[in-house]
Amino acid sequence: GQNIDQPTEMTATEGAIVQINCTYQTSGFNGLFWYQQHAGEAPTFLSYNVLDGLEEKGRFSSFLSRSKGYSYLLLKELQMKDSASYLCAVRDHSSASKIIFGSGTRLSIRP
Amino acid sequence: GAVVSQHPSWVICKSGTSVKIECRSLDFQATTMFWYRQFPKQSLMLMATSNEGSKATYEQGVEKDKFLINHASLTLSTLTVTSAHPEDSSFYICSAKENTEAFFGQGTRLTVV
Repeated sequence: GQNIDQPTEMTATEGAIVQINCTYQTSGFNGLFWYQQHAGEAPTFLSYNVLDGLEEKGRFSSFLSRSKGYSYLLLKELQMKDSASYLCAVRDHSSASKIIFGSGTRLSIRP
Repeated sequence: GAVVSQHPSWVICKSGTSVKIECRSLDFQATTMFWYRQFPKQSLMLMATSNEGSKATYEQGVEKDKFLINHASLTLSTLTVTSAHPEDSSFYICSAKENTEAFFGQGTRLTVV
């Protein structure tokens, strides 16, 4: 089976940096995703990591350590619009490559 | 990125009726699509994997006779909620995989009254 853990809620200040951690346990690993989801909307893709290391994409970066079963999403220069839920998701190694989501981290940005 | 269209975006139905939700990949072919359900303030829960031309694979605890999935073509999967009850009210989201990314439909908010 799979188990994905991330903090339930975080708060940060506009203009600052925040790191959202995700740990996972899976019987077969084939990549880790980060998604952003605003209330009432579908998730939007942020990043995908399958190899160890840091992937940078603008203000957002994602890091993966497969040996530790650990990932983080780093958000820089926070803006009020970054207030959302951030979902960590793991893809398994089956033929279907299904994607299982963590419970999500609700990030609140204060001025 | 690729576009996945889901229809309808919201629906209200009477208890005991059936509702069909469509998920289309508009600019790519998807042999596999996924259906998720999301209750308020909770994460997405995978319901089933929809495979083109074959039976869907359901997650444990999901009734296949209640949530009928049909993936008749490489661009269309449908989820039918049969004999809907108020506890089926939820946000249903489909996703389709293209290469390494997974793209989501807009979601369907189902309210059963």
